[in-house]
Amino acid sequence: NAGVTQTPKFQVLKTGQSMTLQCAQDMNHEYMSWYRQDPGMGLRLIHYSVGAGITDQGEVPNGYNVSRSTTEDFPLRLLSAAPSQTSVYFCASSYSSGRAGELFFGEGSRLTVL
Amino acid sequence: AQSVAQPEDQVNVAEGNPLTVKCTYSVSGNPYLFWYVQYPNRGLQFLLKYITGDNLVKGSYGFEAEFNKSQTSFHLKKPSALVSDSALYFCAVSGGPSSGSARQLTFGSGTQLTVLP
Repeated sequence: NAGVTQTPKFQVLKTGQSMTLQCAQDMNHEYMSWYRQDPGMGLRLIHYSVGAGITDQGEVPNGYNVSRSTTEDFPLRLLSAAPSQTSVYFCASSYSSGRAGELFFGEGSRLTVL
Repeated sequence: AQSVAQPEDQVNVAEGNPLTVKCTYSVSGNPYLFWYVQYPNRGLQFLLKYITGDNLVKGSYGFEAEFNKSQTSFHLKKPSALVSDSALYFCAVSGGPSSGSARQLTFGSGTQLTVLP
């Protein structure tokens, strides 16, 4: 099983550029989420989705958009990149019930904004 | 609002010795508590969770954690550390199903565990 797949693994952007981080899972998980990881701050929730067509904001949503047109895919869009968005981004998914909270993480996407 | 504190940025322990990584939490109602491990340049991996029941929870790779409601703590433990346990460990909390946020995990800042040979 591929699990959670994130692309690209590395990206360098200039301030003001836009881009999309891709996330796909093949486990038929209803719940998907995006986190950013910064040194000394742990992981912070950006956006999440409890199913196709449903998204909601997490702790740090500003500057990011998401959509969930299919169960499998949950892309994260940076509208106008800023140096403060330099971070490692993780996509995670989980079952809808029973094993809620047992997140499966992708390998991460390291973004640098110059 | 829910929160997690991991008071130690770094824990060093000799191989074969017991290890403890500390975690305290704050959440409304009954908590769901989790431990995750991250190896270099990898995503986080689920280790164990507490939902309800026995306060001592056993998980992967010989790890266990003890839930203490009065101290609002959920410390990670292992009786005998291995060099291969060296990694970054994260504690996380979410509210129970009645909170509407059972899957919105809040993570601590992480504790780097180094097991010395």
